Parts: sequence; structure tokens; C-alpha cells
Amino acid sequence: GAVVSQHPSWVICKSGTSVKIECRSLDFQATTMFWYRQFPKQSLMLMATSNEGSKATYEQGVEKDKFLINHASLTLSTLTVTSAHPEDSSFYICSARGGSMAKNIQYFGAGTRLSVL
Amino acid sequence: AQKVTQAQTEISVVEKEDVTLDCVYETRDTTYYLFWYKQPPSGELVFLIRRNSFDEQNEISGRYSWNFQKSTSSFNFTITASQVVDSAVYFCALSEGYNFNKFYFGSGTKLNVKP
Repeated sequence: GAVVSQHPSWVICKSGTSVKIECRSLDFQATTMFWYRQFPKQSLMLMATSNEGSKATYEQGVEKDKFLINHASLTLSTLTVTSAHPEDSSFYICSARGGSMAKNIQYFGAGTRLSVL
Repeated sequence: AQKVTQAQTEISVVEKEDVTLDCVYETRDTTYYLFWYKQPPSGELVFLIRRNSFDEQNEISGRYSWNFQKSTSSFNFTITASQVVDSAVYFCALSEGYNFNKFYFGSGTKLNVKP
């Protein structure tokens, strides 16, 4: 299947700093990428959907100024958690679809565990 | 209302036992797709299967099999002769129409396979 790489896998930061998470599709062109948040023992909550070259569409209740998403190329999307606070600590996971290989399936990265001190 | 219900929060079995994970969905669309993903402790969601609403054939892939029944709106997943490596959280998901940008995930079932 298609491969999605997410980096870093774990990040610890101080409160007030910004953290950038990268999501790359390695073997296909991801026209659409997705960012999810997952709380412990819970399901995935979609935060936003981004199409290459356009602004991301955020789900209700997700602060766009807090969670900046950039999808500048067909293989890379980034999520920046700005001025992170302890309540932003969570597991963030991206997915992507596009091309013939991943046309109708979302392929997921390995996730990033963010801990804000 | 939940579009995808996975009523089993956690299941524990002993290695080599068969186990079935339940998934019940709700949609008014006649065209829809159902998915199963596996999330091992490492965190990555691994795609297992996709099934469309027009194909009710059951599928078998090695020790994995899926039973799709539109009459009961269920898409159950069975692991035969379970192994420790099957221990993970399994998510069932639904996309309606041809909107693969919107996945409705169930709450997941944690499977513990003990040696």
C-alpha cells in the first residue's frame, strides 16, 4: 500500500513554544491530506482537511490560528501547533489520499505524540 | 447519533482462539464504503480492507475475514487463530457516497491476545 511518513514521532516542548509536525506521502501524490487528533483510548477526531495549494478546511471547534496547516506540495503537509499549552498535549496523526494508489483510501502516518510541559 | 458503532471496547483472548470484532454502521446513502484499520501500540493506522456497499461478498485474507451484511448494517471482522502480534486497537470506518475526505470512525476495539 501507499506509504505516509510523519515526523517527529515524539516531541516534548515547553509551554508557549511552537511545534511543527510534518506529514509526507512517499510514493504517491497526495492531493488531499488530513490531520486528526486522538486522545488516550479514544477514536480519531478530524481537525482539518487540506488540499494542495489551497487553504485548509477546519472542523468546527478547531482553532485555525492555533493549528496552522500548510499543504505546499503534493507530498508534504505540515501542522504547526502555535504557542502550545499543556492542553494541546495529544497524539496527532495525519493521513493522505490521492493518485491512483491512494485514490479512495486514506493512508495514515505513524503519528506524533506531543507533550507540552 | 453515531454513524459507526463498535460496541466492544476491549476483548481479551488467548493465542490461537478465533475472535470477531463487531461493527455496526448507520447511513442513508445507498453508496458507501466501509473500512477496517489496525492501530498497533506504535500508533500508526494500518489499512486492512475497504468494501463498497454494492459488494456483499465476504472476504478472506489469510487469517482475516470480513462479513458484510447490509440487512443488519454490519461489517464484522474475524481473526482466526489469533496471534500475539494481532494485539492492537481496531477501527471500523464509514465514508458516504464518494466522499473519501470524510471518514466516520468507530470508537475502536482493543484486542489483547495473550500467549
